[in-house]
Amino acid sequence: DAGVIQSPRHEVTEMGQEVTLRCKPISGHNSLFWYRQTMMRGLELLIYFNNNVPIDDSGMPEDRFSAKMPNASFSTLKIQPSEPRDSAVYFCASSSETSTTRERTDTQYFGPGTRLTVL
Amino acid sequence: GQQVMQIPQYQHVQEGEDFTTYCNSSTTLSNIQWYKQRPGGHPVFLIQLVKSGEVKKQKRLTFQFGEAKKNSSLHITATQTTDVGTYFCAAGTYKYIFGTGTRLKVLA
Repeated sequence: DAGVIQSPRHEVTEMGQEVTLRCKPISGHNSLFWYRQTMMRGLELLIYFNNNVPIDDSGMPEDRFSAKMPNASFSTLKIQPSEPRDSAVYFCASSSETSTTRERTDTQYFGPGTRLTVL
Repeated sequence: GQQVMQIPQYQHVQEGEDFTTYCNSSTTLSNIQWYKQRPGGHPVFLIQLVKSGEVKKQKRLTFQFGEAKKNSSLHITATQTTDVGTYFCAAGTYKYIFGTGTRLKVLA
């Protein structure tokens, strides 16, 4: 299995530009997560999907951020317009959630991340 | 909201010394997971604890879940340079909340 695939691995852009990060989850996984990691704020959950449906987007910083999952094998995280404070490593993770309760028990498999630098 | 704190934030040890990181939650947890992130890498799942007082071992790593299911610890015996990285706990609720992480540096 190729694992979670993210692209691009590195992105350098100028303030105000649109940035699109892409993720291909592990085949068969039904949950997908987008995280942002910075030295100051650590690992933050931005949004997660179950069966392609956004469940919790309370971590999305503001309206400049949007995420979609048009099908089970692809998701995007878009930042428009980008700002220097968006510079971070963005991770996508996927899992196979089988719990029938509200409490998660799944193992998350992280992609290699996209290192975003906004100048 | 729920918070998950880890201590210490950083730890430098000599190779061969032991290391422990602690994870504390403000609320009772259904389960807790531990992840390791190597420098420049991504978090990798290590283990999941579910039962009150549970203790699990992986070679030199010992994981423990508190009796009240509000705290957990990871202990590494006789650290090696390959143990370098950041160790995160993740509290299982309806979503996973990651702790602040403990960055371990092992000096040869």
